[in-house]
Amino acid sequence: DIVMTQSPDSLAVSLGERATINCKSSQSLLYSSNNKNYLAWYQQKPGQPPKLLISWASTRDPGVPDRFSGSGSGTDFTLTISSLQPEDVAVYYCQQYYTTLSITFGQGTRLEIK
Amino acid sequence: QVQLVESGGGVVQPGRSLRLSCAASGFIFGSYGMHWVRQAPDKGLEWVAVIWFDGSKTYYADSVRGRFIISRDNSQNTLSLQMDSLRAEDTAVYYCARGEYNYGYILDYWGQGAPVTVSS
Repeated sequence: DIVMTQSPDSLAVSLGERATINCKSSQSLLYSSNNKNYLAWYQQKPGQPPKLLISWASTRDPGVPDRFSGSGSGTDFTLTISSLQPEDVAVYYCQQYYTTLSITFGQGTRLEIK
Repeated sequence: QVQLVESGGGVVQPGRSLRLSCAASGFIFGSYGMHWVRQAPDKGLEWVAVIWFDGSKTYYADSVRGRFIISRDNSQNTLSLQMDSLRAEDTAVYYCARGEYNYGYILDYWGQGAPVTVSS
């Protein structure tokens, strides 16, 4: 299985400041035939199911605020929140879907307000 | 709007069985792959299984293969997860999730989850 490792495990950022979450995969998620990275990001608020934020490493889902952005390629990826808002307090997960036999998630990063 | 509503969760003894259901509405169910994902208490997300839009293919996590069976009834807009030989480590909230239309392994809608506790 492809192992997804996020860093840090938890993060505290001041309101209005930038938050950066990293995700590293044990093998490349870049499919050479279409030059796409098979990586998604999800947000899970307390007591709620996960919500899709970003797919293909950098494509925001409709309705997701533009302060959320995804970047990276191959094995190293980043989720950035450009200006932290109170409603962004959540746990964030990356997910690889490169192998359709088994998709895997990172362990999660808890984001709090400093 | 898309709705996924899980049911069938509860408390069950180790070694026993439980069947979860997920009622789908607000979209053409038979056109989408569907997944089960679970979350143990205070833990992260673990993918459990997927079934293709027409039921022709199913895949499972190693941790549940041979014990769990995912199935669907497109005439009833229902997804199911038959869980046999349950273990304490299967205790979790079980979410059904829809795979995105263009690439069914991106999970674009999730249900609220069904809690399952395996305990004697």
